[in-house]
Amino acid sequence: DTGVSQNPRHKITKRGQNVTFRCDPISEHNRLYWYRQTLGQGPEFLTYFQNEAQLEKSRLLSDRFSAERPKGSFSTLEIQRTEQGDSAMYLCASSVQAGNTEAFFGQGTRLTVV
Amino acid sequence: KQEVTQIPAALSVPEGENLVLNCSFTDSAIYNLQWFRQDPGKGLTSLLLIQSSQREQTSGRLNASLDKSSGRSTLYIAASQPGDSATYLCAAHSGGGADGLTFGKGTHLIIQP
Repeated sequence: DTGVSQNPRHKITKRGQNVTFRCDPISEHNRLYWYRQTLGQGPEFLTYFQNEAQLEKSRLLSDRFSAERPKGSFSTLEIQRTEQGDSAMYLCASSVQAGNTEAFFGQGTRLTVV
Repeated sequence: KQEVTQIPAALSVPEGENLVLNCSFTDSAIYNLQWFRQDPGKGLTSLLLIQSSQREQTSGRLNASLDKSSGRSTLYIAASQPGDSATYLCAAHSGGGADGLTFGKGTHLIIQP
């Protein structure tokens, strides 16, 4: 296992298009998190899953955003009708079941909306 | 709501110097505090995790301390090297139903050869 994997690494899309990102966590990790990071800022929490259950969503996660983790393994984050303000790095992290354990991050997906 | 602040925002020092990065948080009810390194355009690499019951953790040339009562953590880097150049982020893992990490904006560190 080589760690948390995210695909694609880069995505350029036109405003109004839909995009989907994938995250494969470390295999024995039950918790999976999505964060968004804009230039010069720290990552901001979007949502997290415990196995296949989505347990918390940030106010940052508008109705255009949806995340799934159908079998408790990989997760997808979809953004519908993209806007220029969605341009950011989208980071995925995973940890073992207990919430107070070390989080491991993937390399991120850089989204540019033109 | 937890808020995390990192000082300084940027730091440039000559190679070989020891340095300290500071992190403060407003809500002391944390599970743990984690320090990360981020290279330009890359994801986050975990450096050290300090549980709320611990005072410090060490890994190689890195030492992180935690003072929950004052809401502060420091990352000490000994004998800095050009390869240490990166952005360093601290993140507080709070309880109370908000399970995500709250990050500071980071300290952008440059080690001059």
